[in-house]
Amino acid sequence: DSGVTQTPKHLITATGQRVTLRCSPRSGDLSVYWYQQSLDQGLQFLIQYYNGEERAKGNILERFSAQQFPDLHSELNLSSLELGDSALYFCASSVWDHSYNEQFFGPGTRLTVL
Amino acid sequence: SQQGEEDPQALSIQEGENATMNCSYKTSINNLQWYRQNSGRGLVHLILIRSNEREKHSGRLRVTLDTSKKSSSLLITASRAADTASYFCATGNQGGKLIFGQGTELSVKP
Repeated sequence: DSGVTQTPKHLITATGQRVTLRCSPRSGDLSVYWYQQSLDQGLQFLIQYYNGEERAKGNILERFSAQQFPDLHSELNLSSLELGDSALYFCASSVWDHSYNEQFFGPGTRLTVL
Repeated sequence: SQQGEEDPQALSIQEGENATMNCSYKTSINNLQWYRQNSGRGLVHLILIRSNEREKHSGRLRVTLDTSKKSSSLLITASRAADTASYFCATGNQGGKLIFGQGTELSVKP
């Protein structure tokens, strides 16, 4: 158990819908990262927050947005869902915002868009 | 886009044998990390090696890093059936984001 929690574990929804994925980082970690894992793209970095502020953006679609709240939990919002958004979405956390620390991953949310 | 490539894509060995996986990357890095993933579940952090380190050990794991060749290897000694999983390398540069390779699927047969 990494100490990072994600809810829900599974999500099944229809095209055009909007969903929210939630992540609670390890106690003491200030940085939260979101990654998407799909069969065709592999593991892709989406976005990073550090202590409530956006720090880096990767291959995140405009239909997706995220935020980190004062209690440091984070939410990833996916809207106007398409079939191709079906994937495993991981949240990871680390103490700082630079790359010298290990990132600890949550169990993921499996999103299925029908 | 992926930073690097892992080789082999799949590896099948017998329990007790050693398993070696290789990772190559394209740009300069601050560190390289190895992760394990069991059948579509969460990623487990195995080891982090910094760009100024050449070798690191953790239990049955040995990681090497050659920045001149932009490559790393993960050696698992005395493999067990429980080591069956996908193994990913991930590189870190400025900032915190990690760029992952495609992974190696390791199968350890009892």
